[in-house]
Amino acid sequence: NAGVTQTPKFRILKIGQSMTLQCTQDMNHNYMYWYRQDPGMGLKLIYYSVGAGITDKGEVPNGYNVSRSTTEDFPLRLELAAPSQTSVYFCASSYSRARETQYFGPGTRLLVL
Amino acid sequence: GQQLNQSPQSMFIQEGEDVSMNCTSSSIFNTWLWYKQDPGEGPVLLIALYKAGELTSNGRLTAQFGITRKDSFLNISASIPSDVGIYFCAGLYSGGGADGLTFGKGTHLIIQP
Repeated sequence: NAGVTQTPKFRILKIGQSMTLQCTQDMNHNYMYWYRQDPGMGLKLIYYSVGAGITDKGEVPNGYNVSRSTTEDFPLRLELAAPSQTSVYFCASSYSRARETQYFGPGTRLLVL
Repeated sequence: GQQLNQSPQSMFIQEGEDVSMNCTSSSIFNTWLWYKQDPGEGPVLLIALYKAGELTSNGRLTAQFGITRKDSFLNISASIPSDVGIYFCAGLYSGGGADGLTFGKGTHLIIQP
């Protein structure tokens, strides 16, 4: 199993541009999550999904959108990039919620100039 | 949202020393997790705790879930150079609201040979 994979690894955007961060897991996990990690900080939840077709907001959802059309994929969309969205983005997945641990991808480093 | 206070922020120790770090929360959690993050990588799970009072070991690592459900600690015995990294505590409350993890800000562990 590849686990959780993310693309791209690194991206530079201009203010106002849009992009989609891709996340795929091959563990047949129901739950998927997007976090952002700012320098010197812990991870903060952006959006999560409990299964295909179901998504919900996390702690910091503003400026982002997600979709979950399949169990495997959970893309994160930035419509109008802003400097405040410069961060490292991590995707994670778990089989269930309460007792199952989350497995993280390697991250996407985004710089908005 | 829920807050996690993780301490210390950083530790400079000699190889072979024992390490202790802890997390406290303003509210209760049902699950405590400890992750390690190497530079440029996503967090990797070290230990998961599911029950108040639980004490769990993973090699040289030992973690405990506090009785009050508002704290947890991680000990590393006889540190070695590959222990260098950032250690994050994370809590999960499965009683409602966002289902993602709440992370501490991390403890930077630096080992001097």
